[in-house]
Parts: sequence; C-alpha cells; structure tokens
Amino acid sequence: DIVMTQSPDSLAVSLGERAPINCRSSQSVLSSSNNNNYLAWYQQKPGQPPKLLIYGASTRASGVPDRFSGSGSGTDFTLIISSLQAEDVAVYYCHQYYSAPITFGQGTRLEIK
Amino acid sequence: EVQLVESGGGLVQPGGSLRVSCAASGFTFSRNWMSWVRQAPGKGLEWVAYINQDGNERYYVDSVKGRFTVSRDNAKNSLYLQMNSLRAEDTAVYYCASGGGWVFDSWGQGTLVTVSS
Repeated sequence: DIVMTQSPDSLAVSLGERAPINCRSSQSVLSSSNNNNYLAWYQQKPGQPPKLLIYGASTRASGVPDRFSGSGSGTDFTLIISSLQAEDVAVYYCHQYYSAPITFGQGTRLEIK
Repeated sequence: EVQLVESGGGLVQPGGSLRVSCAASGFTFSRNWMSWVRQAPGKGLEWVAYINQDGNERYYVDSVKGRFTVSRDNAKNSLYLQMNSLRAEDTAVYYCASGGGWVFDSWGQGTLVTVSS
C-alpha cells in the first residue's frame, strides 16, 4: 500500500498569510504513460464531509477559489493557501489514487494564529 | 445538483450486521463509479469499498474483505454496504462518494455506525 505522510500535523497562520501543507507518498504516484500525478487534496470543515479542492496534483476543482494551489510531482506535493481567510479553518487531506487501495494522508489541521 | 444521502446507520453489537444505503440524485447514477469512505471518530479518512458502473467490479480495503459487501441498484439510484461480523474498529461515519473514477467530487453527509455492546 502507498503510505501518505503529511506535514505538519497542525499549522497556525495569521489571516492573510500563506499556509503551506506538505504531502509525501511512499512511492511515486506519477504515471509514466500519461505524465499525470494521481494526487488530490480535500478540505474538511467540522461536522461536514470532505470537499475536493485539487486533483491531478495541481488542477483546481470547480468553484475552488484561486488562493488554493497545488504543486509537486512524483512523491512530494504541496498545497498552498496564498492568503488565509477565516473560512479556510479546516483539516486538509492529501489522497493518492495511483494504485489500490487508494489512501489518504493523516490530515493537517489548519487554524488561525 | 448532485445529492448523496446516506441512511441506515446505528448502534450494533460486536459480531452483528448492518446495511447502510446511499440515495443518489442530480446525476446519471448508472454512469458513475461509487465508493464508501469511512472516518472513525476524531480520525482521518479511510477508503472502504468501490463498485463500478454495472456492479461487476468490486474492490475492498483488506480490513473489511470477507465481511463487507458493496452493491448497487441502478434502477433505484442507490448504493449499499452490507456489513457483517462487525467489530469495534468499524465504528465510524460512513460516507458514500462519487466522482471521476477515484477522485471524489461528491460526498454525502455520512451515517454513523457504532459497534458496541
């Protein structure tokens, strides 16, 4: 199984500041056949289901604000919130869908400083 | 608007059985792969089971193989998860999820399954 490890486990950032969340996979999730990274990011607010933010490592899902961006390739990925808003307080999960069983990172809790 | 509504959760004793359901609307259910993803209280996300469009491909996480069965009824736009031989560690909110293959852009609100004596 591919193990997904996020860092940090929790993060406190001031409003308007940049918030980076990292994700590392135990093996590459880059497909050599199509050069796509099979990596997604989700946001989960308290009491709500997860919401898809990013797929293919860097493609924003429909309706996701452009302050959310994803980067990386192979085994190392980053989700960046460029200017933190109050409504961004949540737990963020990375997710590999390169091989079964699909797996998630342990989550990063993002709070306001 | 895509809607996924889970039901059927509740309290069950260890070793017992439960079936949870997911009613889908707002999209062509029969064209979508569907999955169940669970979240233990205060914990992260764990994919549980997947079923393809016509139900002839099913995959499970190792921890539920032989105990859980995923099925669907495309005529009723419904997804099911039959859970047998339940254990305390199966206690979780169970979400049905859908999207493009293995990327989940639609989630239900979840149904809580508690396994306890």
